Amino acid sequence: DTGVSQNPRHKITKRGQNVTFRCDPISEHNRLYWYRQTLGQGPEFLTYFQNEAQLEKSRLLSDRFSAERPKGSFSTLEIQRTEQGDSAMYLCASRAASTEAFFGQGTRLTVV
Amino acid sequence: GDSVTQMEGPVTLSEEAFLTINCTYTATGYPSLFWYVQYPGEGLQLLLKATKADDKGSNKGFEATYRKETTSFHLEKGSVQVSDSAVYFCALRNSNSGYALNFGKGTSLLVTP
Repeated sequence: DTGVSQNPRHKITKRGQNVTFRCDPISEHNRLYWYRQTLGQGPEFLTYFQNEAQLEKSRLLSDRFSAERPKGSFSTLEIQRTEQGDSAMYLCASRAASTEAFFGQGTRLTVV
Repeated sequence: GDSVTQMEGPVTLSEEAFLTINCTYTATGYPSLFWYVQYPGEGLQLLLKATKADDKGSNKGFEATYRKETTSFHLEKGSVQVSDSAVYFCALRNSNSGYALNFGKGTSLLVTP
C-alpha cells in the first residue's frame, strides 16, 4: 500500500468553473477526512466520512462544495462556481479505528 | 469551541541547538494531542501523540508531555539537525468533533549548519 493518494496534485482553474478532486485512502481505512489549508495556516476540517456515510460537515463547507464517497472507498470533493477565495491546498486523510490519520500530499487549487 | 495556539515562527536555530515549540489548547473534555510535521514538498506526517494527561509522546528525538493543568503540549528536542527543518503543527482531537483534527497555525523551523 502506497498511502493516501490525491489527484490531481495541482489544478489551475478560471473563476466560475467547477473542479473535482479525488482521494484514494489506504485500503483498510474506513474513515476519510477532507481538510483545507491556506498559506500560513494549519489545515481546517471540511468533512468526514465513515464508510460511505458523510457524518459531519464543517461550516466552512458552503453550498458550492460537495463531497461523496459512494462505495466507502475513494472520495471526491467538488467545488462549483469557484471563487478566488477557494484557492488553497485540499488535503485528504484516512484512518482506521485503531490508527491515527494518514495524510495525502494534497491538491493545490489556484483560481485565476 | 476547541482551539490550538502555537508559537509563531519562523524559528531559526543552529545545528545541535535545543528546540522548544510552544503549544497550548482550549478544549472541553479529554482530547488527544498530536504533533504533525510537514517536510518541504511532502504531506503531513504524525510525529508523536499523547492521549491522556501526563502522557509523554516521543519519536525521532522529539518529545512532548500532555500537561492538563497548563493545557499545554510543548514540543522539545535536545539537539536539532538540519534535516529537522520543516513546519510543525500541534493538533488536538476530541470526541465531540467527529474525531477530526483541530490544528494550530504551524511553526516553521529552519536549522542551519
